[in-house]
Amino acid sequence: GENVEQHPSTLSVQEGDSAVIKCTYSDSASNYFPWYKQELGKRPQLIIDIRSNVGEKKDQRIAVTLNKTAKHFSLHITETQPEDSAVYFCAASPGGTSYGKLTFGQGTILTVHP
Amino acid sequence: DAGVIQSPRHEVTEMGQEVTLRCKPISGHNSLFWYRQTMMRGLELLIYFNNNVPIDDSGMPEDRFSAKMPNASFSTLKIQPSEPRDSAVYFCASSQAPGGGNTEAFFGQGTRLTVV
Repeated sequence: GENVEQHPSTLSVQEGDSAVIKCTYSDSASNYFPWYKQELGKRPQLIIDIRSNVGEKKDQRIAVTLNKTAKHFSLHITETQPEDSAVYFCAASPGGTSYGKLTFGQGTILTVHP
Repeated sequence: DAGVIQSPRHEVTEMGQEVTLRCKPISGHNSLFWYRQTMMRGLELLIYFNNNVPIDDSGMPEDRFSAKMPNASFSTLKIQPSEPRDSAVYFCASSQAPGGGNTEAFFGQGTRLTVV
């Protein structure tokens, strides 16, 4: 089955700096890669996703890049703010009728210091 | 829409008791997923349904766990008998298959289960 590795496990940055989280996956059949943000005690919420026919996608301060050949994808957050502090999860899915069949990475605890 | 609704939000039970977790997916979604979150194992997919039919239950840890989806608006996850190692947050999520537009998986608020 699919295996997703996520690094780093913790990330501490100053407000205004950029943050980068990286993930690798093992199953070449995966073609949908969402990123979820989870605040303490709350549900995971999608912040951005990318499909395998796209190499990069951007939404305001958040961007995701995908390298299917190398089987890795990354989340980039620019101009970080204290409210960006949360746990971030990458995931991979085979798509098709199974977009929600997600294999998650271990999570990255992001702390943005004011 | 109120989103994915799970009940109860918190459950404390004694080892050996039966536990039933409930989920109402977003109206119109035809895929439903049960996930478990623990510190040790992170977020794991337990089982998922398409159009009320179980498609993949390979993540169900053992026979003590069972899930049903009798109709498009309701699903249950049952643990019988429960054990302390089942303590976790259980999330239900729903999504709409391609062709129906949005493919994002929306998560419910979760049920925090504690087995003592």
